Amino acid sequence: DIVMTQFPPSLPVTPGEPASIFCRSSQSLLGSDGHNGLAWYLQKPGKSPQLLIYLGSNRASGVPDRFSGSGSGTDFTLTISRVEAEDVGVYYCMQVRQPPLTFGGGTKVDLK
Amino acid sequence: EVQLLESGGGLVHPGGSLRLSCAASGFMFSDYTMSWLRQAPGKGLEWVSGIIYSGRTYYSDSLKGRVTISRDNSRNTLYLQINSVRVEDTALYYCAKDAIRGDGNWDLDHWGQGTLVTVSS
Repeated sequence: DIVMTQFPPSLPVTPGEPASIFCRSSQSLLGSDGHNGLAWYLQKPGKSPQLLIYLGSNRASGVPDRFSGSGSGTDFTLTISRVEAEDVGVYYCMQVRQPPLTFGGGTKVDLK
Repeated sequence: EVQLLESGGGLVHPGGSLRLSCAASGFMFSDYTMSWLRQAPGKGLEWVSGIIYSGRTYYSDSLKGRVTISRDNSRNTLYLQINSVRVEDTALYYCAKDAIRGDGNWDLDHWGQGTLVTVSS
């Protein structure tokens, strides 16, 4: 199975400031189609997870443009350009290159 | 509007079995890959199983042999059969829909609210 390592586990943020979360996979997620099988999800408190980013860098429908995904192969980054109060929650990376699909351990983002 | 409504959770004794259901609406269910995921209390997300629109199935290594995913396209319903349940199976179980029609790409664009399974004697 592909192991996903996510860091930091906790990230206090200041509204209006940028924030970044990192994710590393034990195997390359770059497919022969040139796409990275990496998605990012946000789980707000008490809610079901929501898809933010797919194929490493594509924003899902309705996701604000302050969210961006980057990286390729085994190293990926989720960046929030200017954090807003509504962005608090736990962020997860997930590899979708090959089943069984696997998640990172999560990064809890809260306000300073 | 896409809706996914899980049911079938509850209290089950270790060694018992249960079948979870996920009623889907608002999209052409038969055309989409579907997944089951779970989240133990206070823990992270874990993908449990997935089924391609064509019926091919995939399982996590940790539950393989104890779970069976299936779908009834005539009823727009996804199922997860869990056998020989263990205390560590206690979790909120979610069903989720793939973002892309067909074989999909396992990007899950809609999730249900989950059904809670508690395994305890």
